[in-house]
Amino acid sequence: QKEVEQNSGPLSVPEGAIASLNCTYSDRGSQSFFWYRQYSGKSPELIMFIYSNGDKEDGRFTAQLNKASQYVSLLIRDSQPSDSATYLCAVMVTGGGNKLTFGTGTQLKVEL
Amino acid sequence: EAGVTQSPTHLIKTRGQQATLRCSPISGHTSVYWYQQALGLGLQFLLWYDEGEERNRGNFPPRFSGRQFPNYSSELNVNALELEDSALYLCASSASGWDTQYFGPGTRLTVL
Repeated sequence: QKEVEQNSGPLSVPEGAIASLNCTYSDRGSQSFFWYRQYSGKSPELIMFIYSNGDKEDGRFTAQLNKASQYVSLLIRDSQPSDSATYLCAVMVTGGGNKLTFGTGTQLKVEL
Repeated sequence: EAGVTQSPTHLIKTRGQQATLRCSPISGHTSVYWYQQALGLGLQFLLWYDEGEERNRGNFPPRFSGRQFPNYSSELNVNALELEDSALYLCASSASGWDTQYFGPGTRLTVL
C-alpha cells in the first residue's frame, strides 16, 4: 500500500462547478497535510495546509480532514479553467523526522 | 521578494558522470529540501538541510548527496549517474519546519 494515494484522473468538471479531490494516507501518525497545485512544466505551488485538528477554508478552496477514514480532501468552488492543473497531496509524519510524502497527483480539467 | 532559484535549468550528462545542481532559498529561509520528480513516480523526497546540517534523507542511495552553505544555499550532487536518474529535480525552502515550503523552478537532468 502506498503511503499517500490519489486518483490520477483526469477529473473533469464544468466551469463554475465544485471540484472535489481526495487523498488517502496510510500512517495514522500523520500530523500535517498539504495541497499543492502544479501546472504542466511548472513547479508545485502551495495552496493550503491543515493540521490534524481541523479543516480550513481560503477563498474558493477548502481542505477537509477525515482522520477516522484517513483521507484528506480539497474542494474547489466555482471552478475556473485556470484551475486546470495537477493537484498534489502531501502528508507529513513528524515522528519520522519530518518526512514529507507526496501522492502522484490528480489531474483536474475544468471545461468551458 | 525573490523566490527560490535553481541552476542550471537543464543539464545533460552521460552515464557514470557526476551532476551538481544548485539552489538558493528565499531570503530568510534556513531550510532547503530536495525532491526528485521522475515521470510517473511523483515527487520523491531526497534531502532536507537546515542550518547547514543534513536533517533527513529519503530512500535514495548514498551517491545522492549534498550540502548547505553558510548563506543557506545548497547543492545536490549525484555521482555515478544512471539512466533512471533522469528527472526534474526540485528544490524548496522554508523559514520554519515543513509548514510552508516554496518550490523553485527545478533543474531538468537528462542522463544519456
